[in-house]
Amino acid sequence: GAVVSQHPSWVICKSGTSVKIECRSLDFQATTMFWYRQFPKQSLMLMATSNEGSKATYEQGVEKDKFLINHASLTLSTLTVTSAHPEDSSFYICSATGTDQETQYFGPGTRLLVL
Amino acid sequence: SQQGEEDPQALSIQEGENATMNCSYKTSINNLQWYRQNSGRGLVHLILIRSNEREKHSGRLRVTLDTSKKSSSLLITASRAADTASYFCATDEGGAQKLVFGQGTRLTINP
Repeated sequence: GAVVSQHPSWVICKSGTSVKIECRSLDFQATTMFWYRQFPKQSLMLMATSNEGSKATYEQGVEKDKFLINHASLTLSTLTVTSAHPEDSSFYICSATGTDQETQYFGPGTRLLVL
Repeated sequence: SQQGEEDPQALSIQEGENATMNCSYKTSINNLQWYRQNSGRGLVHLILIRSNEREKHSGRLRVTLDTSKKSSSLLITASRAADTASYFCATDEGGAQKLVFGQGTRLTINP
């Protein structure tokens, strides 16, 4: 149980394009989903927290107009990197919590490379 | 958000030996969790220990928590090559269900 999937697993795009990453909880309803980014050999940095049906809460320094988050249902959240630039290249990981609200279950991550 | 510190940053041991990783954090917490990340993959939840617990076991894993010192340790006994990964501690000191991650320990188990 508690499986979280992400799609795509990796994506290469040209600078200036937008990229959408999906995060799904497969066997539970996720009351809250989180988006992280991770640079090579570094830890995870929380970008934003999203609750179903409400606006995401962004961490300080994260541009909400650049990283659009939509949490349309209890099993799906999407992160759209708008007008991507090479510095946006990173590993993006989502996580989700269920009713216990304590344990976060992580997706396998999406590697984004912006050329 | 502030991150905790993990020690050591990298650890290389022989298969069969025990591996110990430490984590420190800054403010009061309700719980602390340990996660494993294989290279280029997502995180796998290993164990959660609450602030009123001092020690917890799960298979070959043993976690301790010392709230007076704001520190935790993860012990992996009888290590295996498959244990090679990065290990992160995370606390709920961020509030509102947010996790604050340590810098991680890169563990290498040599066959």
